[in-house]
Amino acid sequence: NAGVTQTPKFRILKIGQSMTLQCTQDMNHNYMYWYRQDPGMGLKLIYYSVGAGITDKGEVPNGYNVSRSTTEDFPLRLELAAPSQTSVYFCASIRRREDQETQYFGPGTRLLVL
Amino acid sequence: DAKTTQPNSMESNEEEPVHLPCNHSTISGTDYIHWYRQLPSQGPEYVIHGLTSNVNNRMASLAIAEDRKSSTLILHRATLRDAAVYYCILRRNAGNMLTFGGGTRLMVKP
Repeated sequence: NAGVTQTPKFRILKIGQSMTLQCTQDMNHNYMYWYRQDPGMGLKLIYYSVGAGITDKGEVPNGYNVSRSTTEDFPLRLELAAPSQTSVYFCASIRRREDQETQYFGPGTRLLVL
Repeated sequence: DAKTTQPNSMESNEEEPVHLPCNHSTISGTDYIHWYRQLPSQGPEYVIHGLTSNVNNRMASLAIAEDRKSSTLILHRATLRDAAVYYCILRRNAGNMLTFGGGTRLMVKP
């Protein structure tokens, strides 16, 4: 298994541009998450999904959109990039089996908005 | 939301045990206590989790207070590769959300 993969690894955007951050997991996990991490800070939840076709807002959803058409993919869309969206974005998925769960994180996408 | 409080940083000597504390005084009965760590320039990595009883795995041990208002992550013998930011997180059973706090930056000295 490749685990959780994210593309691109790094991107520079101009203010007002749009882009999609891709996230794919090959572990057949139902739960997937998008976090952002600003320099020197902890992670903040943007959006999450408990299964295909179901998404919900996290702590900081403004300026972002998500979709979950398949179990494997959970893309994050930025419509009008702003400097405040400069951050490292992490995608994650959870395996839940009875009382056991482990969250797997991707390597991150570093985004710079100028 | 139930929050966690951790020291900003801690230091340890290599091959010595490390006890990383976490306070979560507003924890609810269905909140699981999770620990993750983040090495430099990497995504977070799962370490351990528990509900009420102490837990052990190959990476660490988790000691949970009887009233569940605090917990301690124990690294039995710190190595240089354990230098990371350690996050104590509460997971609500409902909604399956994880809330990350500020974490503790662990520095390991040779």
